Amino acid sequence: KNEVEQSPQNLTAQEGEFITINCSYSVGISALHWLQQHPGGGIVSLFMLSSGKKKHGRLIATINIQEKHSSLHITASHPRDSAVYICAVRGTGNNDMRFGAGTRLTVKP
Amino acid sequence: ETGVTQSPTHLIKTRGQQVTLRCSSQSGHNTVSWYQQALGQGPQFIFQYYREEENGRGNFPPRFSGLQFPNYSSELNVNALELDDSALYLCASSSRDRGLGYTFGSGTRLTVV
Repeated sequence: KNEVEQSPQNLTAQEGEFITINCSYSVGISALHWLQQHPGGGIVSLFMLSSGKKKHGRLIATINIQEKHSSLHITASHPRDSAVYICAVRGTGNNDMRFGAGTRLTVKP
Repeated sequence: ETGVTQSPTHLIKTRGQQVTLRCSSQSGHNTVSWYQQALGQGPQFIFQYYREEENGRGNFPPRFSGLQFPNYSSELNVNALELDDSALYLCASSSRDRGLGYTFGSGTRLTVV
């Protein structure tokens, strides 16, 4: 079992829909990252969380440390949100990040 | 403030050859981490360099080696290339001292034939 599990693997939505991507992890962490990867391969860091909730524009990320679970929400989704969304955690005392396999989101107009 | 730049963007090598990939860190960052991302999978940690020394390594063989320079830019070297080394290689810079988030480069896509 991977240390970081994401669901769903693939998600197709209509423009305007509210989207939720989930991430569960099994290790103690110092921080959790939500990343966006476009087809060209480059990765953009969306959020870094260690507790609570963060909001940036239409994106909201939450984390529940006790339950070892995080969610990424996209409100009023748009075709330009189509990308792979990756959850990554940095362990306590570790210097590396462990990544989920990603969720491929396609938003149709 | 400059971001993270990786070079080259694409590369084709023959099995058995050696390759060097380069990464410049973001201004103010002193830590560079390298990741290998096979098609359809999440990135896997290769190693991290902090102040010119290796500071953590994932499950990769010794033919994967690295270097960090005084300006905190970094190189990833892979010797005796194998077909399975074909992947997207990502680097990310951060500042351990300041607890900042990671900034990723756009990656180098390596194809071994």
